[in-house]
Amino acid sequence: GAVVSQHPSWVICKSGTSVKIECRSLDFQATTMFWYRQFPKQSLMLMATSNEGSKATYEQGVEKDKFLINHASLTLSTLTVTSAHPEDSSFYICSAFTGDLSYEQYFGPGTRLTVT
Amino acid sequence: ELKVEQNPLFLSMQEGKNYTIYCNYSTTSDRLYWYRQDPGKSLESLFVLLSNGAVKQEGRLMASLDTKARLSTLHITAAVHDLSATYFCAVDKGTSGSRLTFGEGTQLTVNP
Repeated sequence: GAVVSQHPSWVICKSGTSVKIECRSLDFQATTMFWYRQFPKQSLMLMATSNEGSKATYEQGVEKDKFLINHASLTLSTLTVTSAHPEDSSFYICSAFTGDLSYEQYFGPGTRLTVT
Repeated sequence: ELKVEQNPLFLSMQEGKNYTIYCNYSTTSDRLYWYRQDPGKSLESLFVLLSNGAVKQEGRLMASLDTKARLSTLHITAAVHDLSATYFCAVDKGTSGSRLTFGEGTQLTVNP
């Protein structure tokens, strides 16, 4: 079946530093990848849509200069949290969409970011 | 702006009982998703409903979609403890690329 991986699975960083999170589709090519954020006991919030070879589309209220997204290939998207602050601590989940008629999205295992 | 509301948000039920979780959404969409999330984990896909009247079943779970009423239901039959988790519905915002808006989630606890 379709598998999406994320790396790292958890990361602790100091305030002011940057953190990169990778999202890979392991056995399929993803035309589109999505990045979500989930705070404890809350729902998922879509942050941005990432298409290979083009600029990411950010949802309203998401700072594109703070959350840098690069979709270098059909199997890899990266999210870089720049100048991280404690309020950026969250569970970041990516998903990958094949673009086929199943309309299925395959979710990665998530990355737990803690900023101290 | 698309809004997705789930009801109830918390559900405690006994093993063997039946119950339904409701998902209402505010604007037209033909694609609705149900996911399960265990504590500390990511999402597990349960159902993708792609048209009005769609009904899908897997084990003790059955999902349906009524696009005219903008309503989806997730029915649990003869609940077992292993079904304890948080269940999310999500609706495609309707533009290309399947951008999803999630409901608040229903935290289900099945007690022995």
